[in-house]
Amino acid sequence: KQEVTQIPAALSVPEGENLVLNCSFTDSAIYNLQWFRQDPGKGLTSLLLIQSSQREQTSGRLNASLDKSSGRSTLYIAASQPGDSATYLCAVSNQAGTALIFGKGTTLSVSS
Amino acid sequence: DAGVTQSPTHLIKTRGQQVTLRCSPKSGHDTVSWYQQALGQGPQFIFQYYEEEERQRGNFPDRFSGHQFPNYSSELNVNALLLGDSALYLCASSRGSRSTDTQYFGPGTRLTVL
Repeated sequence: KQEVTQIPAALSVPEGENLVLNCSFTDSAIYNLQWFRQDPGKGLTSLLLIQSSQREQTSGRLNASLDKSSGRSTLYIAASQPGDSATYLCAVSNQAGTALIFGKGTTLSVSS
Repeated sequence: DAGVTQSPTHLIKTRGQQVTLRCSPKSGHDTVSWYQQALGQGPQFIFQYYEEEERQRGNFPDRFSGHQFPNYSSELNVNALLLGDSALYLCASSRGSRSTDTQYFGPGTRLTVL
């Protein structure tokens, strides 16, 4: 059974810091991996999607990497801003490419 | 271009009642998936509908059922509500049942069972 773990559960940083969020998964047979952002009580916004054949994806200040063999992904956020404060969720797609299996998320707080 | 829409936004029910939640997918999408997110947890996959059929189901009891209409919109029905069914219910849409594209999520329906 696929399990996704995110570390740390919560993180507080001052504005301007670069930071790394970690995600690990137990079964390397994934279809793809996605990082989402969730604001309190809201739906999910997709940040980055990495196909199983890819190693990384970049969007603006965000960079996500994928190491399937070790079952790990990282989300790097450069020059953090207060507007980055949210919960970040990592999800892997099952081999059928249908269901997403989520971690519990990392709640990020960026202070000005 | 409207994204994924869900209704209602909030809902309060009592134990034993039945509830129906609705979802309209993003334009051009034909696949709808439903997720349950309890407080402080990541979303959990309930089921996926494609071509009006349930294509895959997560570890949820038969009290949870769904339907997809010809216009690709979808309903989630939960019977015999339990206190533990209180959660944010998220709908996601995509193109094709096995998509290389991201799933787009709606704002969710907050269900409270008293």
